[in-house]
Amino acid sequence: DADVTQTPRNRITKTGKRIMLECSQTKGHDRMYWYRQDPGLGLQLIYYSFDVKDINKGEISDGYSVSRQAQAKFSLSLESAIPNQTALYFCATSDLGQHFSGNTIYFGEGSWLTVV
Amino acid sequence: SQKIEQNSEALNIQEGKTATLTCNYTNYSPAYLQWYRQDPGRGPVFLLLIRENEKEKRKERLKVTFDTTLKQSLFHITASQPADSATYLCALEEGGKLIFGQGTELSVKP
Repeated sequence: DADVTQTPRNRITKTGKRIMLECSQTKGHDRMYWYRQDPGLGLQLIYYSFDVKDINKGEISDGYSVSRQAQAKFSLSLESAIPNQTALYFCATSDLGQHFSGNTIYFGEGSWLTVV
Repeated sequence: SQKIEQNSEALNIQEGKTATLTCNYTNYSPAYLQWYRQDPGRGPVFLLLIRENEKEKRKERLKVTFDTTLKQSLFHITASQPADSATYLCALEEGGKLIFGQGTELSVKP
């Protein structure tokens, strides 16, 4: 089983619909992240959370919201999806305890979202 | 904030040759820099981390250098193989979070 699990893996939704992407991890890490990837643009950070009570905006948070339901769960919502949110979304985790030794990130397999 | 620049042009090399990828950053030198590999449609996978006080780091056929004067890291794959074909991303930490370059696609031809 994957250490970082994303659901759904693929979703097609219509403009204006609400969509939630869920992420769960079994690594016991404190930090969780949501990234978006568009072709040629690399990974852009949407939101990140250093622990259950800590939520921070990343580079491109507009149009997105998140919820950290537990240490192991971090969900990303698009309240009203629009076509330019069509992208590959990655959840990731890292260990706070490793911070000063190198904040290595572990990624999920990704969720393909298409907004039509 | 930091900006990371990687060569956006794909790198095409022959099997057996050494591939060299470049990562440049613009502002302060980070405490460490990381390299990841990403295959199409998959999540990036951590390869190597190099700290600011390390000039070079090796892991099997991989070698990373870190020049804080030039604000640059080089990533080398020696004796490259077609299985090394992938996109390689560099990343550095800013404010406790990792920011990534856009990646360089490497294609190794047999």
